[in-house]
Amino acid sequence: EIVLTQSPGTLSLSPGERATLSCWASQSVSSSHLAWYQLKPGQAPRLLIYGASNRATDIPDRFSGSGSGTDFTLTINRLEPEDFAVYYCQQYGGSATFGGGTKVEIK
Amino acid sequence: EVQLLESGGGLVQPGGSLRLSCTASGFTFSVYAMSWVRQAPGKGLEWVSGIRDSGDSTYYADSVKGRFTISRHNSKNTLFLQMNSLRTEDTAVYYCAKEEAAVGTPLFRNWGQGTLVTVSS
Repeated sequence: EIVLTQSPGTLSLSPGERATLSCWASQSVSSSHLAWYQLKPGQAPRLLIYGASNRATDIPDRFSGSGSGTDFTLTINRLEPEDFAVYYCQQYGGSATFGGGTKVEIK
Repeated sequence: EVQLLESGGGLVQPGGSLRLSCTASGFTFSVYAMSWVRQAPGKGLEWVSGIRDSGDSTYYADSVKGRFTISRHNSKNTLFLQMNSLRTEDTAVYYCAKEEAAVGTPLFRNWGQGTLVTVSS
């Protein structure tokens, strides 16, 4: 089973700043089958990025994903108030495993 | 528009059973694999179980194997999760999620709102 480790655990930033979230895999993720989700309290998870770098439908272009192999990054440029949430990476090359999450909170 | 609506959550004692349902609409249910994903209080997301489009193949996380059973009724666009021998650590919000293809691609574009399962005496 591929284990995903996310860092940092918490990111304290102000609106307008850039957020950089990391996700490391214990082994190479096949065909860049790496996704990012946003989760807010009381809401369903929202797919942001799939295939490591492809934005899902209706996702603003301030969200971008990069990486391959075992190292992946989610970047959120110019944080908006609605972006403060918890973010999870997930690998879907076969089975599904999630990282532990990164909370982006208002500084 | 894809819609997934879970039901069946509630309070149950340790060792008890519960059956979750997920009613789907807005897409051809019978050609997509489906999964259940949960989030325990204060914890992250955990994939629980998946089932291919036909229902012929099922998959489970080690934490629930032998206790949970996933199934589907394609003519009624409904997904199920039968949970037996429940433990306090099964307490979580359970989400129903649509996969990307008929089998083997657990990318989740669509999720339900979740149903809360509380296991407590």
